[in-house]
Amino acid sequence: QQQVKQSPQSLIVQKGGISIINCAYENTAFDYFPWYQQFPGKGPALLIAIRPDVSEKKEGRFTISFNKSAKQFSLHIMDSQPGDSATYFCAASKETSGSRLTFGEGTQLTVNP
Amino acid sequence: DGGITQSPKYLFRKEGQNVTLSCEQNLNHDAMYWYRQDPGQGLRLIYYSQIVNDFQKGDIAEGYSVSREKKESFPLTVTSAQKNPTAFYLCASSIRVFTYEQYFGPGTRLTVT
Repeated sequence: QQQVKQSPQSLIVQKGGISIINCAYENTAFDYFPWYQQFPGKGPALLIAIRPDVSEKKEGRFTISFNKSAKQFSLHIMDSQPGDSATYFCAASKETSGSRLTFGEGTQLTVNP
Repeated sequence: DGGITQSPKYLFRKEGQNVTLSCEQNLNHDAMYWYRQDPGQGLRLIYYSQIVNDFQKGDIAEGYSVSREKKESFPLTVTSAQKNPTAFYLCASSIRVFTYEQYFGPGTRLTVT
């Protein structure tokens, strides 16, 4: 019940295109859904996060869409750039009660010039 | 600069040897974590610490040990009992345990032959 499933495992997009990464969770008690971005040889860094009281959050070219009834959330990267090429992890936790982050398996995004 | 430092970046050891990975933070965070990252898998929690002189096992603690003698430091020892120690190890911290954003260090890649 603690799993977070992420897809696709890898994604290749042309420059200027839209990258979409999906995650599904099982535990309805999760109340914090962050996305982390990791460049090769580096540690992950928080990219954007959402809480279930909103259905969408946008920061620049990055948007999280959240569907509470379907227990799914997704990351959209608009106007994808080669510099966006990285591994993206979704995660979930019960932040209000202090539970650990459960990470998805990761998506390796490649944006071709 | 505030942040998390991990050293060394690359570490090579012979099978049967214990090895200690360093993690230091100057963010004044109470909580610290160790994760293991393998290709195609999400981050898996090894150990975490809420406060000095306290630490708890995560999901994959077997073959690992930690200490938390100072707020700033949370070293991880990979013992010879760890069956498959070759991996990328990430240290993280947060203001309090399992709440708020986790900040990650740059990681240590351990290779055991």
